[in-house]
Amino acid sequence: GAVVSQHPSRVICKSGTSVKIECRSLDFQATTMFWYRQFPKQSLMLMATSNEGSKATYEQGVEKDKFLINHASLTLSTLTVTSAHPEDSSFYICSANPGQGGETQYFGPGTRLLVL
Amino acid sequence: AQSVTQPDIHITVSEGASLELRCNYSYGATPYLFWYVQSPGQGLQLLLKYFSGDTLVQGIKGFEAEFKRSQSSFNLRKPSVHWSDAAEYFCAVGNQGGKLIFGQGTELPVKP
Repeated sequence: GAVVSQHPSRVICKSGTSVKIECRSLDFQATTMFWYRQFPKQSLMLMATSNEGSKATYEQGVEKDKFLINHASLTLSTLTVTSAHPEDSSFYICSANPGQGGETQYFGPGTRLLVL
Repeated sequence: AQSVTQPDIHITVSEGASLELRCNYSYGATPYLFWYVQSPGQGLQLLLKYFSGDTLVQGIKGFEAEFKRSQSSFNLRKPSVHWSDAAEYFCAVGNQGGKLIFGQGTELPVKP
């Protein structure tokens, strides 16, 4: 149980285009999902908290107009990188909290984004 | 401010040897503590967690961790490492809102 999927697993795009990444909780409902960014050989940095039915909460220094988050249902959150640039190239990982107490997060397999 | 420190960026162990990965945290209240493992290019898998109760917690794959409040530590241990344990290990502290703060990670190659 507690499986989280991400799609796509990797994407290459041209500079200036937008890319959408999906995060799905497959066997549980998640009122809260989280989006992280990980640079090579570095730790995960929380970008934003995605709340079903309301606006996402962004961490300090994260541009909300660049990283659009939509949590339209209890099993799906999307991250759209708008007008992507090479410096946006990174590994993006989502996680979901079943909300049954314990605050355990379950992580997706990640999406590798390369912006040319 | 909440923070997590993993003092060892890189540790090499031989297969069959014991392992201890260090984790120190800074948190104002009783923390939720986690250890995750990440294989190259993959997401994170939960090894174990501590919320309350017995300070020695058992996890998957033969890992255990001990919460020591006096030392603000939550070190991960395994008595005998297998080659498949080669990965990166992250300690994290969480709050009731569900946010996680991760340590820098410890890279663990395993020598045959």
